[in-house]
Amino acid sequence: AQKITQTQPGMFVQEKEAVTLDCTYDTSDQSYGLFWYKQPSSGEMIFLIYQGSYDEQNATEGRYSLNFQKARKSANLVISASQLGDSAMYFCAMREGRRSSASKIIFGSGTRLSIRP
Amino acid sequence: GAVVSQHPSWVICKSGTSVKIECRSLDFQATTMFWYRQFPKQSLMLMATSNEGSKATYEQGVEKDKFLINHASLTLSTLTVTSAHPEDSSFYICSARTGVVNTEAFFGQGTRLTVV
Repeated sequence: AQKITQTQPGMFVQEKEAVTLDCTYDTSDQSYGLFWYKQPSSGEMIFLIYQGSYDEQNATEGRYSLNFQKARKSANLVISASQLGDSAMYFCAMREGRRSSASKIIFGSGTRLSIRP
Repeated sequence: GAVVSQHPSWVICKSGTSVKIECRSLDFQATTMFWYRQFPKQSLMLMATSNEGSKATYEQGVEKDKFLINHASLTLSTLTVTSAHPEDSSFYICSARTGVVNTEAFFGQGTRLTVV
């Protein structure tokens, strides 16, 4: 069985600072995918970044980067130069098995990030 | 990017009535869609996998007769909450992926259901 763990229920960060949101996972699959989503108070799920288990380089998307440490089974999200608009819930998620449209994606418990002006 | 549209965005219904929530893929065909439920300040819990043209696959603990899923076309899946009770009040959100090439799941806007 797969599992996603986010140990930080909430975080406060000063604007313009960098922040790391932790995520560890557990799976017996060799092929899997890791995601980070942002959920503002409106409820929509906004895709941020993806890392495949066979990707050798850490994924980056603008201010977002994923610190992928396969041996430790961790996939931490790093947000550089945080902005007030970054305040939201952040979910780490994992797709099990081969990349296909039928593969389930399960979510961690989330981290509520609050940016202080 | 691909768009998934969910309707309605919010609904209030009386106990004992049924509520239907629609999830549409607007610019792609989705043979598989996923339905999640989210309680306040909690994570998304996968309820079921909706398969076009066949029965949905429900996660353990989810009542099939309570949450009816129909995936009649490649662009539409519906979730019907039957005989709703106040404990069914929650945020329901669907998602779909476009296929093997793409990696991310696209989500609908979600439906906030309140049963009174």
